[in-house]
Amino acid sequence: ELKVEQNPLFLSMQEGKNYTIYCNYSTTSDRLYWYRQDPGKSLESLFVLLSNGAVKQEGRLMASLDTKARLSTLHITAAVHDLSATYFCAAIPMNRDDKIIFGKGTRLHILP
Amino acid sequence: ETGVTQSPTHLIKTRGQQVTLRCSSQSGHNTVSWYQQALGQGPQFIFQYYREEENGRGNFPPRFSGLQFPNYSSELNVNALELDDSALYLCASSPTVGANTEAFFGQGTRLTVV
Repeated sequence: ELKVEQNPLFLSMQEGKNYTIYCNYSTTSDRLYWYRQDPGKSLESLFVLLSNGAVKQEGRLMASLDTKARLSTLHITAAVHDLSATYFCAAIPMNRDDKIIFGKGTRLHILP
Repeated sequence: ETGVTQSPTHLIKTRGQQVTLRCSSQSGHNTVSWYQQALGQGPQFIFQYYREEENGRGNFPPRFSGLQFPNYSSELNVNALELDDSALYLCASSPTVGANTEAFFGQGTRLTVV
């Protein structure tokens, strides 16, 4: 059964610093998602990664996928306070088209 | 905004009661999935409906049931509420089934069971 693990689960960092959130998944997956969730809010889709070596960037966030290592990363460049949120990694199991499996989330707190 | 709307936004129920949560999918979407997100956790898949039929189910007991209507809106029903059912319930709609389609989430219903 597909399991998705993120680390760290909590991250406090200074504005202007760089950091990376790691996402490992246990079995082959068709696609990998990154979502952002603000407190009390729903999930906002950030990136969808489909193939090995895929890299996508939006502003200060960059996501990558290594399907051989079953690893995705979300890199934050020169963090700003507005990026404070919880970030979820999620994947779809092979041969299933119904459910998305989420990690526990990384709660990111950026200090001004 | 994703175009997926859920109602109500907040709800307080007593243990043992029954609750119905509602979701209107985005225009043109025929697939709706429901997720439960406990505090501090990632969302957990409850079930999915495609063209009014259940298309898949997660590890939730039968007291969690659902329905999808001809206009593709959906309901989640929970019977015999337990304290552990307190959570944010998220609805997601997709254009169709399949791993190559993207899910768009509503704002959620916060259910508190006391």
